[in-house]
Amino acid sequence: DQQVKQNSPSLSVQEGRISILNCDYTNSMFDYFLWYKKYPAEGPTFLISISSIKDKNEDGRFTVFLNKSAKHLSLHIVPSQPGDSAVYFCAARGTSYDKVIFGPGTSLSVIP
Amino acid sequence: DGGITQSPKYLFRKEGQNVTLSCEQNLNHDAMYWYRQDPGQGLRLIYYSQIVNDFQKGDIAEGYSVSREKKESFPLTVTSAQKNPTAFYLCASRTRGAYTDTQYFGPGTRLTVL
Repeated sequence: DQQVKQNSPSLSVQEGRISILNCDYTNSMFDYFLWYKKYPAEGPTFLISISSIKDKNEDGRFTVFLNKSAKHLSLHIVPSQPGDSAVYFCAARGTSYDKVIFGPGTSLSVIP
Repeated sequence: DGGITQSPKYLFRKEGQNVTLSCEQNLNHDAMYWYRQDPGQGLRLIYYSQIVNDFQKGDIAEGYSVSREKKESFPLTVTSAQKNPTAFYLCASRTRGAYTDTQYFGPGTRLTVL
């Protein structure tokens, strides 16, 4: 039973445009969310996070939005660059705080 | 440099053999994790350890074993009981603060069973 869902396996965006990656979760008790970026044959790298007490967190070109009532978060990348092409994982901190639950990932392709 | 190292990068094993994947961190993190990634899939948790000499099973622990004798090290053994061991294995350590909670990943080990 998937607690963190990323329903779009892939996404293509033109360079310079906005990329929007979506994530849904099922457990309303999750209180901390993260996005990771992963290139092939490498480990994921932390991108940005958000606590459930906020609805937005921004870091340069990356912004994460959290809608708790909808149990939905999204990652916005503006402007998108070819180097952003990677798999993006959404993750949520488990209720027991001892582990992080990852979604299946969305593969982003930014077309020059 | 602080970070997480995994070795080897690529590993080949004959069916029926046990193999141990190394994971070392010098970040002084208490918690460490092992994940498995299969093509087109997300990260699935194998085992994790919150503190030295203690570890817990994750979602897919069958056929795997771990030890945590030192804070810096969390080796994973893939045993012959693991039915489908070919995968990309990722180790991570985790730091938590009052307002942060981040996992740092190693570069991964690609295991192929021949």
